[in-house]
Amino acid sequence: SQQGEEDPQALSIQEGENATMNCSYKTSINNLQWYRQNSGRGLVHLILIRSNEREKHSGRLRVTLDTSKKSSSLLITASRAADTASYFCATDAKDFGNEKLTFGTGTRLTIIP
Amino acid sequence: DTAVSQTPKYLVTQMGNDKSIKCEQNLGHDTMYWYKQDSKKFLKIMFSYNNKELIINETVPNRFSPKSPDKAHLNLHINSLELGDSAVYFCASSQVVVGTDTQYFGPGTRLTVL
Repeated sequence: SQQGEEDPQALSIQEGENATMNCSYKTSINNLQWYRQNSGRGLVHLILIRSNEREKHSGRLRVTLDTSKKSSSLLITASRAADTASYFCATDAKDFGNEKLTFGTGTRLTIIP
Repeated sequence: DTAVSQTPKYLVTQMGNDKSIKCEQNLGHDTMYWYKQDSKKFLKIMFSYNNKELIINETVPNRFSPKSPDKAHLNLHINSLELGDSAVYFCASSQVVVGTDTQYFGPGTRLTVL
């Protein structure tokens, strides 16, 4: 099973509205990251939140982390057409002593102008 | 300036052929990765190299062989291509090997096996 699963799978909102995406994971983590992927492009790192942090901000992005519920949320405020993309959460996991990122299934966000 | 570059961007080939994808990063990072993204957008790590040394090797068929001639390059060679190999392959790099580090992704190579 996948370590991270985003919810919803797809989200369409009007430009200017806020968009909230959720991520749930299964195992203990040290950190959680959010990435954006525009259509036909590679992933771009947005924000990293450590397991001892509950909330983090970066511009119009706000990320929360609840380790007791093993979940995180990404809020994009005052959405713009350029925010249309897929958003992935990624958690770190150990692989024979080496850490790796495990990505969720992604939320496809569409901003309607 | 392109941080992580991959060639080719598109690759269409017949089943049974052998093909290679090249990746280069100019960020001075020590760690490079290959990921596979399937048609449902699920992204899964395949390999990771740190300073030319293989450190992560997921359950990938041995038809896939990564090669790192130096720490700025990580190539992926695929033998005897199968239909199920069709996907987008992403190269990425990071300064350090731990999962706490930001990873920088290339633009991807869309492989289509006919």
